[in-house]
Amino acid sequence: SAVISQKPSRDICQRGTSLTIQCQVDSQVTMMFWYRQQPGQSLTLIATANQGSEATYESGFVIDKFPISRPNLTFSTLTVSNMSPEDSSIYLCSVGGGGYGYTFGSGTRLTVV
Amino acid sequence: GENVEQHPSTLSVQEGDSAVIKCTYSDSASNYFPWYKQELGKRPQLIIDIRSNVGEKKDQRIAVTLNKTAKHFSLHITETQPEDSAVYFCAASNYAGNMLTFGGGTRLMVKP
Repeated sequence: SAVISQKPSRDICQRGTSLTIQCQVDSQVTMMFWYRQQPGQSLTLIATANQGSEATYESGFVIDKFPISRPNLTFSTLTVSNMSPEDSSIYLCSVGGGGYGYTFGSGTRLTVV
Repeated sequence: GENVEQHPSTLSVQEGDSAVIKCTYSDSASNYFPWYKQELGKRPQLIIDIRSNVGEKKDQRIAVTLNKTAKHFSLHITETQPEDSAVYFCAASNYAGNMLTFGGGTRLMVKP
């Protein structure tokens, strides 16, 4: 299965600022997924990122707040924009499907103060 | 879209006992059902998965059963050990590269 490097692992940010999270995969993958895990909660899909096209966002998530880039088949970024304390969560990227299991990056623990 | 419900939300068992976690899903097109274990501060780790053409799968102390007609699947852990204590998530996907939809999670506590 694919190995994903995600960074930063954690950050503390001021409200109103933005943070960009990066995920690098050790093999080419068609789809990458971005999840949010709020404290003590399950994982919620933010968006699906395909190379060469705009990301597909789930209900409740918008591009202006969570812009995503997918410049090639091994890399993606998620930006959390104009942050508020409610954005404090763990953000995870994931790849999978198409015949093998889904794997996750190590996560980014974001605290907004 | 898919909706996955998971029960119970917390489960406490004595070491050596069995633990069962149950999930139901709504989308009959789903055909891939993984289970993840998440320890505190760590990423979810796949522990077992099952595809819709199989009714049961076992890996040492862990087994998963699937009832496609009833749209539910279950995780069974036998001879539980303290290191099994974690949060467990079920999920569903149509396995064509689509995203996973997760259940709400079960916090399993194994008491020594």
